[in-house]
Amino acid sequence: QLQLQESGSGLVKPSQTLSLTCAVSGGSISSGGYSWSWIRQPPGKGLEWIGYIYHSGSTYYNPSLKSRVTISVDRSKNQFSLKLSSVTAADTAVYYCARAHVGDHAFDIWGQGTMVTVSS
Amino acid sequence: EIVLTQSPDFQSVTPKEKVTITCRASQSIGSSLHWYQQKPDQSPKLLIKYASQSFSGVPSRFSGSGSGTDFTLTINSLEAEDAATYYCHQSSSLPLTFGPGTKVDIK
Repeated sequence: QLQLQESGSGLVKPSQTLSLTCAVSGGSISSGGYSWSWIRQPPGKGLEWIGYIYHSGSTYYNPSLKSRVTISVDRSKNQFSLKLSSVTAADTAVYYCARAHVGDHAFDIWGQGTMVTVSS
Repeated sequence: EIVLTQSPDFQSVTPKEKVTITCRASQSIGSSLHWYQQKPDQSPKLLIKYASQSFSGVPSRFSGSGSGTDFTLTINSLEAEDAATYYCHQSSSLPLTFGPGTKVDIK
């Protein structure tokens, strides 16, 4: 059973860069056929898709965040990562990683989520 | 960007009652509409994909219908464990987007 686990800094200062990693276990990120996404949810609010990466390394970012987002994959460690630069309080959220089949892009597996607070 | 709207925002329901949640897309998305359930302090779980295909392990009381711009999630005979927020999500075009959610509370 494939599982996803987010990790990273829970507290980031304004203007700095948020960095998170999603470890994939029970399966290989290099197997193909899937996209690997980051999704966030501000406290008490809805879900916002940030972007995804394929095992090949190709990416697509939400235009609303594109100028600040980088998603990368490390096949040797079976993980993918998110970097969000120039953060503000508006970036405070629970950040989820999730997998979707490339055929339908329905998110069938999610990580448990990690809370990131932007504060000085 | 495709905008999804959901109604109602909130619904308080008694057990065994039928629940209907609608999701409307700002333009036609075919059947590329998926439904998720999120309980407090948990990550979302996929219920229905492609408008009407039940995901593995999802109880049969959950069903979906619709195509184009109008979609429905139905919960037949609501159980207490179904208290949650339900989100629709479209994958017809990038960026992927979600509806604002419908919170279902148990009376």
